[in-house]
Parts: sequence; structure tokens; C-alpha cells
Amino acid sequence: KAGVTQTPRYLIKTRGQQVTLSCSPISGHRSVSWYQQTPGQGLQFLFEYFSETQRNKGNFPGRFSGRQFSNSRSEMNVSTLELGDSALYLCASSLEKAREGSPLHFGNGTRLTVT
Amino acid sequence: KQEVTQIPAALSVPEGENLVLNCSFTDSAIYNLQWFRQDPGKGLTSLLLIQSSQREQTSGRLNASLDKSSGRSTLYIAASQPGDSATYLCAVIISVGGLVANDYKLSFGAGTTVTVRA
Repeated sequence: KAGVTQTPRYLIKTRGQQVTLSCSPISGHRSVSWYQQTPGQGLQFLFEYFSETQRNKGNFPGRFSGRQFSNSRSEMNVSTLELGDSALYLCASSLEKAREGSPLHFGNGTRLTVT
Repeated sequence: KQEVTQIPAALSVPEGENLVLNCSFTDSAIYNLQWFRQDPGKGLTSLLLIQSSQREQTSGRLNASLDKSSGRSTLYIAASQPGDSATYLCAVIISVGGLVANDYKLSFGAGTTVTVRA
């Protein structure tokens, strides 16, 4: 069974631009969650989608948004990029919502560099 | 605010030694706790998940325990091998009450970086 696929693998953007990241979950998984990983802040939860609805959200500004499609694939968008948005963005999928106790399966991430 | 702490931040052991990794959390109202490993430049690989009603989980050389009353989980790796070298993270999902949506928080520890020397 194919794992979680994130595209693109690397991105370089300039301040003020916007970016869209994509995540394809494991087949049959209905929950997709997104995370930001930086050396200073570690791994932080962005949001979780389940059945095309946002079910939970971390403490990030409204510039960070996402959506989930009917096939469970998800996209994350960051508008008006700032230097501090440079990070590894990870996506994870699970059978059920995170609180239901389904193991999270992560993709290899998208490395975003903002210059 | 839920705090998840992992001590030590780094650990170096000779091959064959048993590893003991600690995860502490401040809020006992957890749904579940999950242990992951992360290799450089890669995503996280799920190792073990412990539900709030469980006290431990085992998979091969790995054993994870959970003590909600003391806010601690421990990951044991028996007979370590160089291939076990990685960063190990714990993640805690806790209940924050309220509406069905947004009624939980997910917090990660900073991780313990393990080096197993051949």
C-alpha cells in the first residue's frame, strides 16, 4: 500500500508570495493533519481535516489555511509568506480522527524556504 | 497549556545496550500517546500508540509504558542496534472539553536524538 505522498519535496519562495502544498493520504484514510517543523519551535500542529471538514486547528495565523477534497487528498495554503514560515511542512493521515487513536502515518514533508 | 518534555535531549550508547527514553506531560486528560522515530530529512514513522485506557504496548524490541497519574511515558528499546540511531518523539493528544470540534489538542515533545555506536 502506498504511503503518504507530499508534493513538492522542496520549494523556494520570496516574501509576500503564497504557496500551496499537496498531500495524498494512504488509501482508505479519512483524516489528514498538517504540521510545521522548525529547529526552534519543534513540531507544531497546524490543523486536521476529516471528511472534508476542518476538525481542529492549532495556534497559527489565518494566513495558514487548508482544505480536503472528497478523495481525502488535502492541500495547505500559506499566503503572504514571511521569512519565519521557512520550515519542513509535514502531512499525516490516519483512518479516523487523531483523538480516536488511529496511528498517524507521515509523509516525508515539503521543505519550504522563504527568501 | 499542555507541555510535553523529553529528557534527555540526546543519548549515545554502545551497540547492545538497552535504551530508555522518557516523555513527560502536564495534563492527565489524554486520549492517547504515540511514539515516533524520525530519520534526518524524513517524516515521522509511527512506533507505538497507547490508548488512555492502556498501560503499555509492545512491538518486537520496543515497549512503551504509560502512567497517566504521574504524567509519564517511557519507551524501552532492547538490545540497541546502529539502525536504531534516530530522533524519537512522543506526541500527546489531550481533551480540552467543549464542542465536538476542536475539543482536543495535539502536542509533540522536542525529541531525544539517539546514537548507537557500533
